[in-house]
Amino acid sequence: GAGVSQSPSNKVTEKGKDVELRCDPISGHTALYWYRQSLGQGLEFLIYFQGNSAPDKSGLPSDRFSAERTGGSVSTLTIQRTQQEDSAVYLCASSSYDSNTEAFFGQGTRLTVV
Amino acid sequence: RKEVEQDPGPFNVPEGATVAFNCTYSNSASQSFFWYRQDCRKEPKLLMSVYSSGNEDGRFTAQLNRASQYISLLIRDSKLSDSATYLCVVQSGGSYIPTFGRGTSLIVHP
Repeated sequence: GAGVSQSPSNKVTEKGKDVELRCDPISGHTALYWYRQSLGQGLEFLIYFQGNSAPDKSGLPSDRFSAERTGGSVSTLTIQRTQQEDSAVYLCASSSYDSNTEAFFGQGTRLTVV
Repeated sequence: RKEVEQDPGPFNVPEGATVAFNCTYSNSASQSFFWYRQDCRKEPKLLMSVYSSGNEDGRFTAQLNRASQYISLLIRDSKLSDSATYLCVVQSGGSYIPTFGRGTSLIVHP
């Protein structure tokens, strides 16, 4: 079946502009995660959605970052007034509702702020 | 102290070598443990889960030491295709958020 799909795969934007990144998880997966990975760095947790529960936003680095998940499926990560330090690969993952199951990742969106 | 720590490497080994990586975690309530593999400019993919009793999958063996709070990954008979970054992942009890280490880079050369 289809895996986690992210779009766009690459995005170049000017400093100060807003961007939207999209994630389409695996059908039936109730958990959805956003991470970002800067060059040569590990994965930094951003936000976690689980079903209809309130999301865990504890990893969002500033109030310029927000995310929503509509209908328990597709998620959009929005970065307002982008800064150069926002440049990174933004990875989305989904998994079934179980603490011991695999998280499946999309191929990521490479964001470059110029 | 970081929640999950790994030696970034790189570990540079010849084909056929045996190599081992360790990963330490700080939260004693952690309950689920995994090793993921990430190829250059690709997304992470699950390599194997780590069970309390340890587990083996072909050339790969993972072990958990709860007392010392570390997990290990052993790769035997290294192949060129094993070259990648190996990410240690920990989930704490009650949290469904996987926490990733920075990864250990492995380079297998002819």
